Amino acid sequence: SAVISQKPSRDICQRGTSLTIQCQVDSQVTMMFWYRQQPGQSLTLIATANQGSEATYESGFVIDKFPISRPNLTFSTLTVSNMSPEDSSIYLCSVRAPGETGELFFGEGSRLTVL
Amino acid sequence: AQSVAQPEDQVNVAEGNPLTVKCTYSVSGNPYLFWYVQYPNRGLQFLLKYITGDNLVKGSYGFEAEFNKSQTSFHLKKPSALVSDSALYFCAVRDQGGATNKLIFGTGTLLAVQP
Repeated sequence: SAVISQKPSRDICQRGTSLTIQCQVDSQVTMMFWYRQQPGQSLTLIATANQGSEATYESGFVIDKFPISRPNLTFSTLTVSNMSPEDSSIYLCSVRAPGETGELFFGEGSRLTVL
Repeated sequence: AQSVAQPEDQVNVAEGNPLTVKCTYSVSGNPYLFWYVQYPNRGLQFLLKYITGDNLVKGSYGFEAEFNKSQTSFHLKKPSALVSDSALYFCAVRDQGGATNKLIFGTGTLLAVQP
């Protein structure tokens, strides 16, 4: 299994500011996935980050709001821009185990509270 | 479109009793099915998966799940519940023949095991 480290683990942010979440994996992976888990809700995929190309965003998520970097095969960042209270969520980074049928492994998550 | 349903928001069970957490799915092709557990303030942990073959799948911490194609279900079970099993459980599905690698999560079921 992959070991995934996320920073920060939690933060309290002011409305209108931006915060960048870092995700580090202990092995090289092609795709990294960013999920959002709003309070009391399930996980929603924000985007898939591929090394060397632009991230692929899901419906309802845009690059201007959630810019993603993927500089190498073990690291990615997700920025939550111009935050509002509605962005208060847990943001989770994940990678897939090798192979077509591989399960996802998740980081511990970054819990953001926007005031 | 693929989807997954967890009809129970919460399941209560006494320690030592068997537990079942329900999950049904909808995909156009054959499914890959997964169960994850989330403990408070933690990321998701993989429990088990069904890809093909034997309908009864065994996973971590004594959990198992049964794939039922005719009922499109993948219920999570454990013969004897522990208080430490209390957590949030997510079922997830991916369409084997789908155009996307996206994993779709259910809304989660909170398992509460009483001593």
